[in-house]
Amino acid sequence: DTEVTQTPKHLVMGMTNKKSLKCEQHMGHRAMYWYKQKAKKPPELMFVYSYEKLSINESVPSRFSPECPNSSLLNLHLHALQPEDSALYLCASSQDDQRGSYNEQFFGPGTRLTVL
Amino acid sequence: QQQVKQSPQSLIVQKGGISIINCAYENTAFDYFPWYQQFPGKGPALLIAIRPDVSEKKEGRFTISFNKSAKQFSLHIMDSQPGDSATYFCAASRVYGGATNKLIFGTGTLLAVQP
Repeated sequence: DTEVTQTPKHLVMGMTNKKSLKCEQHMGHRAMYWYKQKAKKPPELMFVYSYEKLSINESVPSRFSPECPNSSLLNLHLHALQPEDSALYLCASSQDDQRGSYNEQFFGPGTRLTVL
Repeated sequence: QQQVKQSPQSLIVQKGGISIINCAYENTAFDYFPWYQQFPGKGPALLIAIRPDVSEKKEGRFTISFNKSAKQFSLHIMDSQPGDSATYFCAASRVYGGATNKLIFGTGTLLAVQP
């Protein structure tokens, strides 16, 4: 199984709502990533978890709150978002064998988020 | 230093032609250079990747050429097909904080292959 799944596929929320995005992988990967991608732009890294610990936060506003409950799951909790946060949110995972070698990142299909 | 510059922004190629996309980087600490292909509504998928110890890597119709001294690399798609129409992102990476990989993406190239 070389798949990263993300739910929901689409999400529309108001600025006062609280919602969560979910990501799951069963490849035994120990690094998981959240990216944000605006239309016609490259993905922008938001967060990285390594062995269920947050290792990178790219100065993301606190209205985005990541969570890694276990090695297969990654959540992104959303609260009080702004319309400019509307984007495709991508999850990725990689092996992260901690031997200093590069490991391919596998991306999910993304969640298309619209903030009204 | 962290940027990866990609050109052209868009590319139209006739079926059977060669598509060429170029990227340049500044940070000599980068040690892994993948290319990702993204179709509309999908996540990026790794197409082919190269390490700086080789100058060329070929997989089927896709070839990466790498020039370490010029800090440039390019993707060549031979015999381009309409099914290759997608957005292509080059990227550069280095091991970060032990083993976690941080990908720096280029700005993307929208390729359209005309039948």
